[in-house]
Amino acid sequence: DVKVTQSSRYLVKRTGEKVFLECVQDMDHENMFWYRQDPGLGLRLIYFSYDVKMKEKGDIPEGYSVSREKKERFSLILESASTNQTSMYLCASRENRGRVSNQPQHFGDGTRLSIL
Amino acid sequence: QQQVKQSPQSLIVQKGGISIINCAYENTAFDYFPWYQQFPGKGPALLIAIRPDVSEKKEGRFTISFNKSAKQFSLHIMDSQPGDSATYFCAAIGDTGRRALTFGSGTRLQVQP
Repeated sequence: DVKVTQSSRYLVKRTGEKVFLECVQDMDHENMFWYRQDPGLGLRLIYFSYDVKMKEKGDIPEGYSVSREKKERFSLILESASTNQTSMYLCASRENRGRVSNQPQHFGDGTRLSIL
Repeated sequence: QQQVKQSPQSLIVQKGGISIINCAYENTAFDYFPWYQQFPGKGPALLIAIRPDVSEKKEGRFTISFNKSAKQFSLHIMDSQPGDSATYFCAAIGDTGRRALTFGSGTRLQVQP
C-alpha cells in the first residue's frame, strides 16, 4: 500500500511566521501535489511537482512556495503566514506511468493548520 | 475552464436508499473523471472512475453515469449504508496540459440507519 505521511496532524502558528509543512511518500512516485481543503470549496491545487527539483503553480499559489530536493519529500512553505491561510492541507503523490492522468492520486491524512 | 461544479453540498439518505451526486464541467480537454471518498480525519481515496468513451461504469453498489454531450456525470450509490457516510468529491483531468486533478466542491453524505 502506498503511504503518504504528513509530518503534523495539527499545527498552530502566528501571523507572519514562516511555516513548513512536510510530506513524505514511500512508493518512489514521481509526481507530488499540495492541496488545501476548505468547506464548500473542495480541494484547490496550490503547487505540484512532476519530479525532483521541478515545480509548477496550481490554482492558488499566492503566499506559498514549495521545495522538492528529494523524490520522496515535498515541502510546502508559507512565507509569511496570514489568518486566511488557516485551512486543512493535503499532500498527494502519483506514479508517472502509462497514461499518467489515469493513475490514482494517493493522499495523506492532512495537516490542519491554524494561523492566529 | 478549469471548474468542476458539484451538487448538492449535503445529502441525507435513509439506509437502503439511493444517493445521487451530480457534477458538471466545461473544459472539453478533460478525459478522465474519478470520484474520491473521504472519511472524517482521513485523506480522500479513489472510489471509482470513468472515461468518456462509456456512458456508465458500475463497481458493486457504486455507479458513475456519464453524459458527454451535456458535460455532466453523476455518482449513484445503491442500497446506501451508514458506512457510506462520508464526503464525496468528483474530479476531472486531461491527458494534455496540466495533468493534475480539478476537484468539485464536495458533497457530505449522511446515511441514516
